[in-house]
Amino acid sequence: DSGVTQTPKHLITATGQRVTLRCSPRSGDLSVYWYQQSLDQGLQFLIQYYNGEERAKGNILERFSAQQFPDLHSELNLSSLELGDSALYFCASSADLARNEQFFGPGTRLTVL
Amino acid sequence: GIQVEQSPPDLILQEGANSTLRCNFSDSVNNLQWFHQNPWGQLINLFYIPSGTKQNGRLSATTVATERYSLLYISSSQTTDSGVYFCAVTYSGAGSYQLTFGKGTKLSVIP
Repeated sequence: DSGVTQTPKHLITATGQRVTLRCSPRSGDLSVYWYQQSLDQGLQFLIQYYNGEERAKGNILERFSAQQFPDLHSELNLSSLELGDSALYFCASSADLARNEQFFGPGTRLTVL
Repeated sequence: GIQVEQSPPDLILQEGANSTLRCNFSDSVNNLQWFHQNPWGQLINLFYIPSGTKQNGRLSATTVATERYSLLYISSSQTTDSGVYFCAVTYSGAGSYQLTFGKGTKLSVIP
C-alpha cells in the first residue's frame, strides 16, 4: 500500500458525460501528479499541483481540469467524455520537489461507452 | 522532451531464471524510478535510483547517469514477478518534476 488513495476504483459512463476522480496523497506530501495510462499512448503526465498551486501541465486536454484543495486532496474533472478517454487514471504524490520520489495510487479505471 | 527506451519489450522466463532489463534515456535526469505494474494494474515502487546501485531482496538496480542507462536485475524469478516493469525519469531541466515513462518490459514467468 503506497498510502495514496483514489476513488472510485472503477467508473463506467456514457459519451458526453462529466466525471470527477478523487485523490488523497500520502500524509504530508505536498505534490500531487495525475497520469493517464491508455493502450495506445502508454503512461502520460497530465498535470501537477504543489501545495494548492498548479505547477506544470502535460498532455492534458482542455476538456479536463484539476485542482488541489487546502487539505491537499486533489480532483481531476473530465467533461464531454469521448470513447478515447477510456483509460486508467493514476494519481501520484511526492513529499518534496528536491527528491521527488513519486508514489502511485491504485488508479481509477474509466470506461466510456 | 526526454526519451526513455526500454528493452526487451517482452520477456518470457522459466521460474528460477535470472534476467536483466534495460532503460536508456536521452538526457540528464535527476530522478529515475523503476516500477512493477502487477496484473491488477497497480504501480508498485521498486527503486528510486538516479545513480548508483541498490538491492532489495532478489531485485537490484544500477544507474550509470553519465552513460544514460539503468539496469534492473531480477534473480531467481517467481511467477509473482510477472507483469510490466516501467522505468521513469525526470528530466533535470529547470522546473521539470513530472515522470516520463518508457513503454515497459512485459515479463511472463512460467512455472
